[in-house]
Amino acid sequence: LAKTTQPISMDSYEGQEVNITCSHNNIATNDYITWYQQFPSQGPRFIIQGYKTKVTNEVASLFIPADRKSSTLSLPRVSLSDTAVYYCLVGDMKNTGFQKLVFGTGTRLLVSP
Amino acid sequence: DAEITQSPRHKITETGRQVTLACHQTWNHNNMFWYRQDLGHGLRLIHYSYGVHDTNKGEVSDGYSVSRSNTEDLPLTLESAASSQTSVYFCASSPRMERDTQYFGPGTRLTVL
Repeated sequence: LAKTTQPISMDSYEGQEVNITCSHNNIATNDYITWYQQFPSQGPRFIIQGYKTKVTNEVASLFIPADRKSSTLSLPRVSLSDTAVYYCLVGDMKNTGFQKLVFGTGTRLLVSP
Repeated sequence: DAEITQSPRHKITETGRQVTLACHQTWNHNNMFWYRQDLGHGLRLIHYSYGVHDTNKGEVSDGYSVSRSNTEDLPLTLESAASSQTSVYFCASSPRMERDTQYFGPGTRLTVL
């Protein structure tokens, strides 16, 4: 599973757009990029997944450049309820097996009024 | 609605005792996982299962065991609890054909005194 690097923490204010970047320099051809969100005292929750270019859903957008060595999770107009830890994962579970799934320590986002 | 539940939500036990944490999902997912989460370590995989009667060791499996006798349940047993096993435990499940997307339970906070 490709190792990922994320900022430990980020601060923002309500209504702002937040971009969290994840570096994965040794990403493999078959690897997908997945982001999870975790609120205090809850289990992680799937946000978005992508392979290349841009993916958008009702919660966030995921931008992946052509070389796929990094990705950016974009949260539009954050609110206080977006305060959480965000995890970037990279891997192809079918080929590498679930044993190597590693969440890392994630990025702690704090949204203030 | 389909869901994944864990019980108990909180447990205090003593060193050396056997403890079993329950995980039950109603999605009929083939894959189930157990993680532990400690400050500074993110989530670490303990054991996982691809289906009934299948179990596999994860990154931190020593001192833990699981069994899968049906699709819905994957209980996690600590054979002889140690203080180092004080942690928050999360169970997760995923469908066979879905890439990386795991659905997490609410967690069990275990304290070993």
